[in-house]
Amino acid sequence: DAGVIQSPRHEVTEMGQEVTLRCKPISGHDYLFWYRQTMMRGLELLIYFNNNVPIDDSGMPEDRFSAKMPNASFSTLKIQPSEPRDSAVYFCASSLNVRRQNFGPGTRLLVL
Amino acid sequence: AQSVAQPEDQVNVAEGNPLTVKCTYSVSGNPYLFWYVQYPNRGLQFLLKYITGDNLVKGSYGFEAEFNKSQTSFHLKKPSALVSDSALYFCAVRGSSNTGKLIFGQGTTLQVKP
Repeated sequence: DAGVIQSPRHEVTEMGQEVTLRCKPISGHDYLFWYRQTMMRGLELLIYFNNNVPIDDSGMPEDRFSAKMPNASFSTLKIQPSEPRDSAVYFCASSLNVRRQNFGPGTRLLVL
Repeated sequence: AQSVAQPEDQVNVAEGNPLTVKCTYSVSGNPYLFWYVQYPNRGLQFLLKYITGDNLVKGSYGFEAEFNKSQTSFHLKKPSALVSDSALYFCAVRGSSNTGKLIFGQGTTLQVKP
């Protein structure tokens, strides 16, 4: 089992550019979560899906953020346009039913 | 509303000494409680969970946690700390409403000195 896969691992971009983060959950898992981690705000849940359907997006900071899960093996988190305050580590996690969440290695985003 | 509190930003212990990382929670219904560890530049790793049953739960790397319903606590413990245990520890709770969402605490940095 390869675990949760995230790409890219690091992303450096300029303010105003579009950023797309990708996640492949563990095969068979029916929940997928996107988190953001910063020193100031800690670990924040942005959005989560169940069976590819968004269940709770109340943590999405603003309209610049969007997430999709077109199928059970792929999800994207998009930021358009990006801003320096979006700089953070973004984690994807998946779980089977409501059991423990398995986290990916994260994407470290720096917006200049 | 569900919430988790980790009252200590940092815990310092000497290698070989016992360690405790504190966690209290607030949830309606029966809680599902978790501990995760995060090493530098890594994702969170699952340590242990309490769903039901024995109040003392054993997990990975020699860690254990004690569920105390009356005190609404779920403290993480280890009898003898290792320098390699130094990391960021997160407590999380899920209410029994069958949502997949976990509520995480703010994290506690554990520093084990040789």
